[in-house]
Amino acid sequence: QSVLTQPPSASGTPGQRVTISCSGSSSNIGSNSVNWYQQFPGTAPKLLIYSNDQRASGVPDRVSGSKSGTSASLAISGLQSEDEANYYCAAWDDSLKGVVFGGGTKLTVL
Amino acid sequence: QLQLHESGPRLVKPSETLSVTCTVSGGSLGSSSWCWGWIRQAPGKGLEWLGSLYYTGSRDYNPSLKSRLTIFEDTSKNEFSLKLTSVTAADTAFYFCVRQVYYDPSCSNMWGPGILVTVSP
Repeated sequence: QSVLTQPPSASGTPGQRVTISCSGSSSNIGSNSVNWYQQFPGTAPKLLIYSNDQRASGVPDRVSGSKSGTSASLAISGLQSEDEANYYCAAWDDSLKGVVFGGGTKLTVL
Repeated sequence: QLQLHESGPRLVKPSETLSVTCTVSGGSLGSSSWCWGWIRQAPGKGLEWLGSLYYTGSRDYNPSLKSRLTIFEDTSKNEFSLKLTSVTAADTAFYFCVRQVYYDPSCSNMWGPGILVTVSP
């Protein structure tokens, strides 16, 4: 059971906009920054979004992040086949004194 | 260009100690801008933070693993390592070493390729 809650799956057709949610609590998302990772099968995760809404180096501007209260979202517009991957959110948890992750969302491009 | 690379035994017997080392090239462990951590992923599962090592020498550990886990560094070799004692099949996972932002260890901006460690008799 992950501390941060993500939907296990999401999907969209090429060109569409999809969003992936990440729900937490006051001790993690509510008081700390959220980061997002993209992972392709068989490879290490890659930082996608940091500090809630900052794109990591090389990430296209059709990818964006946002945070409100104890929830965060990752949005991908102009969906492309190469966006098909697993996405994870992460944040520091002040109560647990550690890093917590969401369970991951598998994005399928139909 | 900073690179991280994990190494160590890929097969460990139950009840024994799992050890993985991360070699850092193209950068220094001693930088105050970063901390260094370990994250693991059981096959087909999600990500789990294990712990982080700060340039001050302090450490944070996942509370669920704290009694079995040690993270330490060898600055002369620019390496940091983890030791996990009393392992079981549940510790079978890909182990990734990461560079993290020192004020936000949940932000891992560099990853090693990972090493699969299997716990089996």
